[in-house]
Amino acid sequence: GAVVSQHPSRVICKSGTSVKIECRSLDFQATTMFWYRQFPKKSLMLMATSNEGSKATYEQGVEKDKFLINHASLTLSTLTVTSAHPEDSSFYICSARDPGLAGARETQYFGPGTRLLVL
Amino acid sequence: QKEVEQDPGPLSVPEGAIVSLNCTYSNSAFQYFMWYRQYSRKGPELLMYTYSSGNKEDGRFTAQVDKSSKYISLFIRDSQPSDSATYLCAMISSYKLIFGSGTRLLVRP
Repeated sequence: GAVVSQHPSRVICKSGTSVKIECRSLDFQATTMFWYRQFPKKSLMLMATSNEGSKATYEQGVEKDKFLINHASLTLSTLTVTSAHPEDSSFYICSARDPGLAGARETQYFGPGTRLLVL
Repeated sequence: QKEVEQDPGPLSVPEGAIVSLNCTYSNSAFQYFMWYRQYSRKGPELLMYTYSSGNKEDGRFTAQVDKSSKYISLFIRDSQPSDSATYLCAMISSYKLIFGSGTRLLVRP
């Protein structure tokens, strides 16, 4: 399967600081990437859809000024958690949409996740 | 009613058992069905992908789709302790993945 990387894998920060998480698709161009949040023993919650060259689309209840998304190239999307607070501590996972070639399947490949702990 | 329903488990089986994991869905427009495996503190890994009713086999894994019943299954034969993970069913709707809640599987040695 395709490879999607995330950096950093783990970050600890103080309350009030901002944290940037990078998501890269390594072997295909992803015009669309997705950002998810996952709490312990829970399923993934879609936060936003990141489209290359345009504004991200946020899911209901997700603050766009809190979670800034930039998709500046076909292989890189970034999520910045601004003014982080302890309740932002979570596991953040990105995925990249692979539309497939004609007749082939569309699917999403996930990054390994970033564990954020805000003290 | 959730769009995708999945029993969260946990499901505990002995090594070598056949495991059956299931999801039901409500939207008949879903056409693409996936199973992801997620180990603790890792991102989901795509296991199986189907887009039509019937069975698809890959090694010890078989994915089954019954569109008339809106029911999908993942079977694991000869289960191994390394199969212990959370298994998520997912469907594509308007480019987005709609996930089930995930079933935690524990294969006991």
